[in-house]
Amino acid sequence: DVKVTQSSRYLVKRTGEKVFLECVQDMDHENMFWYRQDPGLGLRLIYFSYDVKMKEKGDIPEGYSVSREKKERFSLILESASTNQTSMYLCASRKRAGSNQPQHFGDGTRLSIL
Amino acid sequence: GQQLNQSPQSMFIQEGEDVSMNCTSSSIFNTWLWYKQDPGEGPVLLIALYKAGELTSNGRLTAQFGITRKDSFLNISASIPSDVGIYFCAGYNQGGKLIFGQGTELSVKP
Repeated sequence: DVKVTQSSRYLVKRTGEKVFLECVQDMDHENMFWYRQDPGLGLRLIYFSYDVKMKEKGDIPEGYSVSREKKERFSLILESASTNQTSMYLCASRKRAGSNQPQHFGDGTRLSIL
Repeated sequence: GQQLNQSPQSMFIQEGEDVSMNCTSSSIFNTWLWYKQDPGEGPVLLIALYKAGELTSNGRLTAQFGITRKDSFLNISASIPSDVGIYFCAGYNQGGKLIFGQGTELSVKP
Protein backbone atom coordinates (compact mmCIF):
# COMPACT_ATOMS: atom_id res chain seq x y z
CA ASP A 1 0.00 0.00 0.00
CA VAL A 2 1.12 3.52 -0.77
CA LYS A 3 1.81 5.57 2.32
CA VAL A 4 1.82 9.35 2.13
CA THR A 5 2.63 10.94 5.46
CA GLN A 6 2.06 14.58 6.31
CA SER A 7 4.05 15.79 9.29
CA SER A 8 1.22 17.52 11.16
CA ARG A 9 -2.51 16.88 11.32
CA TYR A 10 -3.26 20.25 12.92
CA LEU A 11 -1.19 23.42 12.94
CA VAL A 12 -1.84 26.91 14.29
CA LYS A 13 0.41 29.75 13.20
CA ARG A 14 0.39 33.53 13.29
CA THR A 15 0.06 36.02 10.45
CA GLY A 16 3.43 36.79 8.91
CA GLU A 17 5.13 33.59 10.05
CA LYS A 18 6.99 31.38 7.62
CA VAL A 19 5.26 28.00 7.67
CA PHE A 20 6.61 24.66 6.49
CA LEU A 21 4.34 21.71 5.66
CA GLU A 22 6.17 18.43 5.10
CA CYS A 23 5.11 15.40 3.10
CA VAL A 24 6.88 12.06 2.69
CA GLN A 25 5.95 9.08 0.51
CA ASP A 26 7.41 5.61 0.79
CA MET A 27 6.70 4.13 -2.66
CA ASP A 28 9.47 5.69 -4.74
CA HIS A 29 6.91 7.79 -6.62
CA GLU A 30 8.30 10.34 -9.04
CA ASN A 31 5.43 12.83 -8.88
CA MET A 32 4.20 14.75 -5.85
CA PHE A 33 1.47 17.35 -5.45
CA TRP A 34 0.18 19.91 -2.98
CA TYR A 35 -3.52 20.87 -2.86
CA ARG A 36 -5.65 22.98 -0.62
CA GLN A 37 -9.27 22.09 0.09
CA ASP A 38 -11.86 24.68 1.03
CA PRO A 39 -15.65 24.33 1.43
CA GLY A 40 -17.41 25.14 -1.80
CA LEU A 41 -14.14 25.39 -3.75
CA GLY A 42 -13.09 21.75 -3.83
CA LEU A 43 -9.47 20.70 -4.27
CA ARG A 44 -7.18 23.24 -5.87
CA LEU A 45 -3.66 22.47 -7.04
CA ILE A 46 -0.97 24.71 -5.56
CA TYR A 47 2.30 23.22 -6.82
CA PHE A 48 3.54 19.92 -8.16
CA SER A 49 6.84 18.22 -8.86
CA TYR A 50 7.58 15.56 -11.45
CA ASP A 51 11.02 14.74 -10.08
CA VAL A 52 13.70 15.78 -7.62
CA LYS A 53 14.62 19.47 -7.87
CA MET A 54 11.74 20.05 -10.29
CA LYS A 55 8.67 22.13 -9.50
CA GLU A 56 5.75 23.49 -11.46
CA LYS A 57 3.09 26.00 -10.51
CA GLY A 58 -0.43 24.76 -10.19
CA ASP A 59 -3.61 26.81 -10.31
CA ILE A 60 -3.08 28.88 -7.15
CA PRO A 61 0.68 29.22 -6.42
CA GLU A 62 0.61 32.80 -5.10
CA GLY A 63 1.92 33.07 -1.56
CA TYR A 64 3.45 29.58 -1.64
CA SER A 65 6.70 27.94 -2.64
CA VAL A 66 7.89 24.34 -2.60
CA SER A 67 11.06 22.32 -2.18
CA ARG A 68 11.89 18.83 -3.48
CA GLU A 69 15.46 18.03 -2.48
CA LYS A 70 14.83 14.28 -2.13
CA LYS A 71 12.54 12.04 -4.13
CA GLU A 72 10.46 11.00 -1.14
CA ARG A 73 9.93 14.44 0.36
CA PHE A 74 7.95 17.43 -0.89
CA SER A 75 7.67 20.53 1.25
CA LEU A 76 5.15 23.35 0.96
CA ILE A 77 6.25 26.74 2.27
CA LEU A 78 4.03 29.66 3.15
CA GLU A 79 6.47 32.54 2.85
CA SER A 80 4.48 34.96 5.03
CA ALA A 81 1.30 33.34 6.30
CA SER A 82 -1.97 35.21 5.94
CA THR A 83 -5.43 34.46 7.31
CA ASN A 84 -6.73 33.57 3.84
CA GLN A 85 -4.32 30.64 3.84
CA THR A 86 -6.29 28.96 6.62
CA SER A 87 -7.29 25.71 4.97
CA MET A 88 -6.94 21.94 4.77
CA TYR A 89 -3.71 21.10 2.90
CA LEU A 90 -3.41 17.76 1.14
CA CYS A 91 -0.27 16.18 -0.25
CA ALA A 92 -0.48 13.48 -2.92
CA SER A 93 1.93 11.30 -4.86
CA ARG A 94 1.78 9.35 -8.09
CA LYS A 95 4.11 6.81 -9.66
CA ARG A 96 5.05 8.89 -12.69
CA ALA A 97 3.69 11.36 -15.20
CA GLY A 98 1.97 10.22 -18.37
CA SER A 99 0.73 7.01 -16.81
CA ASN A 100 -2.69 8.24 -15.64
CA GLN A 101 -2.03 6.34 -12.43
CA PRO A 102 -4.09 7.44 -9.41
CA GLN A 103 -2.81 10.03 -7.00
CA HIS A 104 -2.59 8.84 -3.41
CA PHE A 105 -3.27 11.32 -0.66
CA GLY A 106 -1.99 11.92 2.84
CA ASP A 107 -4.31 12.53 5.79
CA GLY A 108 -4.07 16.28 5.40
CA THR A 109 -2.88 19.16 7.55
CA ARG A 110 -5.54 21.49 8.89
CA LEU A 111 -3.77 24.83 9.11
CA SER A 112 -5.16 27.81 10.97
CA ILE A 113 -3.54 31.23 10.60
CA LEU A 114 -4.46 33.64 13.38
CA GLY B 1 -10.46 25.95 -14.20
CA GLN B 2 -12.08 22.90 -15.72
CA GLN B 3 -14.35 20.99 -13.33
CA LEU B 4 -16.41 17.89 -13.35
CA ASN B 5 -20.12 18.12 -12.64
CA GLN B 6 -20.82 15.71 -9.83
CA SER B 7 -24.32 14.96 -8.60
CA PRO B 8 -26.05 14.87 -6.32
CA GLN B 9 -24.29 17.29 -3.98
CA SER B 10 -25.67 15.47 -0.95
CA MET B 11 -27.76 12.41 -0.13
CA PHE B 12 -29.61 11.31 2.99
CA ILE B 13 -30.51 7.64 2.92
CA GLN B 14 -31.59 4.81 5.19
CA GLU B 15 -29.21 2.03 6.07
CA GLY B 16 -29.63 -0.82 3.60
CA GLU B 17 -30.54 1.39 0.64
CA ASP B 18 -28.57 1.50 -2.58
CA VAL B 19 -26.83 4.72 -3.62
CA SER B 20 -25.96 6.09 -7.03
CA MET B 21 -23.90 9.15 -7.92
CA ASN B 22 -22.34 10.35 -11.15
CA CYS B 23 -19.91 12.72 -12.78
CA THR B 24 -20.16 14.31 -16.18
CA SER B 25 -17.93 16.46 -18.31
CA SER B 26 -18.21 18.30 -21.60
CA SER B 27 -14.82 16.90 -22.66
CA ILE B 28 -13.24 13.47 -22.88
CA PHE B 29 -11.39 11.94 -19.96
CA ASN B 30 -8.78 9.18 -20.19
CA THR B 31 -9.11 7.83 -16.66
CA TRP B 32 -11.79 8.05 -13.99
CA LEU B 33 -11.06 7.75 -10.29
CA TRP B 34 -13.41 7.57 -7.33
CA TYR B 35 -12.26 8.61 -3.84
CA LYS B 36 -13.88 8.69 -0.41
CA GLN B 37 -13.01 11.26 2.21
CA ASP B 38 -13.94 10.83 5.86
CA PRO B 39 -14.21 13.97 8.03
CA GLY B 40 -10.75 15.33 8.88
CA GLU B 41 -8.97 12.77 6.71
CA GLY B 42 -7.48 12.71 3.23
CA PRO B 43 -9.23 11.17 0.20
CA VAL B 44 -8.79 7.41 -0.15
CA LEU B 45 -8.87 5.77 -3.57
CA LEU B 46 -11.85 3.43 -4.03
CA ILE B 47 -11.85 2.52 -7.71
CA ALA B 48 -9.80 3.40 -10.81
CA LEU B 49 -11.21 3.02 -14.36
CA TYR B 50 -8.98 3.10 -17.43
CA LYS B 51 -11.10 2.08 -20.45
CA ALA B 52 -14.38 3.29 -21.88
CA GLY B 53 -17.15 0.91 -20.88
CA GLU B 54 -15.12 -0.61 -18.05
CA LEU B 55 -17.18 -1.79 -15.08
CA THR B 56 -15.24 -2.43 -11.87
CA SER B 57 -16.33 -3.54 -8.41
CA ASN B 58 -14.73 -3.18 -5.00
CA GLY B 59 -16.89 -4.99 -2.44
CA ARG B 60 -20.27 -3.25 -2.36
CA LEU B 61 -19.02 -0.51 -4.67
CA THR B 62 -19.36 -0.60 -8.44
CA ALA B 63 -18.15 2.06 -10.85
CA GLN B 64 -18.34 2.42 -14.61
CA PHE B 65 -16.37 4.43 -17.19
CA GLY B 66 -18.96 5.82 -19.62
CA ILE B 67 -18.86 4.76 -23.26
CA THR B 68 -18.60 8.37 -24.42
CA ARG B 69 -15.64 8.87 -22.01
CA LYS B 70 -17.43 11.95 -20.69
CA ASP B 71 -19.06 10.41 -17.62
CA SER B 72 -18.74 7.89 -14.83
CA PHE B 73 -21.00 6.61 -12.08
CA LEU B 74 -20.50 5.02 -8.68
CA ASN B 75 -23.03 2.72 -7.03
CA ILE B 76 -23.00 1.58 -3.42
CA SER B 77 -25.23 -1.35 -2.59
CA ALA B 78 -26.82 -2.06 0.80
CA SER B 79 -25.39 1.03 2.49
CA ILE B 80 -24.09 0.86 6.07
CA PRO B 81 -23.34 3.65 8.56
CA SER B 82 -19.60 3.60 7.83
CA ASP B 83 -20.33 4.57 4.21
CA VAL B 84 -20.87 8.12 5.52
CA GLY B 85 -18.44 10.60 4.00
CA ILE B 86 -17.76 12.65 0.90
CA TYR B 87 -17.28 10.83 -2.39
CA PHE B 88 -15.22 12.51 -5.10
CA CYS B 89 -14.87 11.67 -8.73
CA ALA B 90 -11.70 12.70 -10.52
CA GLY B 91 -10.47 12.27 -14.05
CA TYR B 92 -7.39 12.82 -16.15
CA ASN B 93 -8.19 15.08 -19.08
CA GLN B 94 -6.52 14.94 -22.49
CA GLY B 95 -3.73 17.16 -21.17
CA GLY B 96 -2.92 14.79 -18.32
CA LYS B 97 -4.24 17.05 -15.57
CA LEU B 98 -6.31 15.53 -12.75
CA ILE B 99 -9.66 17.29 -12.46
CA PHE B 100 -11.91 16.82 -9.42
CA GLY B 101 -15.64 16.88 -8.93
CA GLN B 102 -17.12 18.92 -6.09
CA GLY B 103 -18.07 15.84 -4.10
CA THR B 104 -21.23 14.05 -2.97
CA GLU B 105 -21.83 14.11 0.77
CA LEU B 106 -23.48 10.88 1.91
CA SER B 107 -25.37 10.56 5.18
CA VAL B 108 -26.74 7.18 6.28
CA LYS B 109 -29.46 6.86 8.91
CA PRO B 110 -29.23 3.64 10.94
